[in-house]
Amino acid sequence: DGGITQSPKYLFRKEGQNVTLSCEQNLNHDAMYWYRQDPGQGLRLIYYSQIVNDFQKGDIAEGYSVSREKKESFPLTVTSAQKNPTAFYLCASSATSGIHALAKNIQYFGAGTRLSVL
Amino acid sequence: GENVEQHPSTLSVQEGDSAVIKCTYSDSASNYFPWYKQELGKGPQLIIDIRSNVGEKKDQRIAVTLNKTAKHFSLHITETQPEDSAVYFCAASSLGGGADGLTFGKGTHLIIQP
Repeated sequence: DGGITQSPKYLFRKEGQNVTLSCEQNLNHDAMYWYRQDPGQGLRLIYYSQIVNDFQKGDIAEGYSVSREKKESFPLTVTSAQKNPTAFYLCASSATSGIHALAKNIQYFGAGTRLSVL
Repeated sequence: GENVEQHPSTLSVQEGDSAVIKCTYSDSASNYFPWYKQELGKGPQLIIDIRSNVGEKKDQRIAVTLNKTAKHFSLHITETQPEDSAVYFCAASSLGGGADGLTFGKGTHLIIQP
């Protein structure tokens, strides 16, 4: 069953705590992304990675960190420096190369992780 | 960078009527425009997309139109059904090089009235 798996579905963070959200894909996609979704705000890009061992900041990277040690995994850590972490977090992936040009760069999303602060 | 504006924020239509959601973008280099449907508590799902070399694309009851000169694109849903109720997002991106993410509109909550 191919796709993007995010875990956990719900996560609670205590004051001063770092928490890590998992994102795994078995689509063999090169690129992976993390978005934050707040009510009425749409989706905003936190970090993205085009290739293993490389990643770039998005529009709202402050207070977050990522790693890309494996092609299929792109975990997001919400650090204690993120003062307003309550949101719905979405991971996505896309192919950046391949035979079918029309399939390139189309982003597929996971089911999301809802993070709340205790 | 790119800026995408989406209107309206909420749209209520009678079942069977048509719904139209409009987006404008600012970066003339953008050449890929997907539309996503998001149901409550789920991730967005791609429903249709259009690239800048075409002006219109249809898929059953859904169509998207693109006006590159005016930098706006629209989603049209005909013969709306209750299962069309969801939040719809437009987005814009440049496919010219790296995969650096989509810029999304703020979403339209579509409500289908029975």
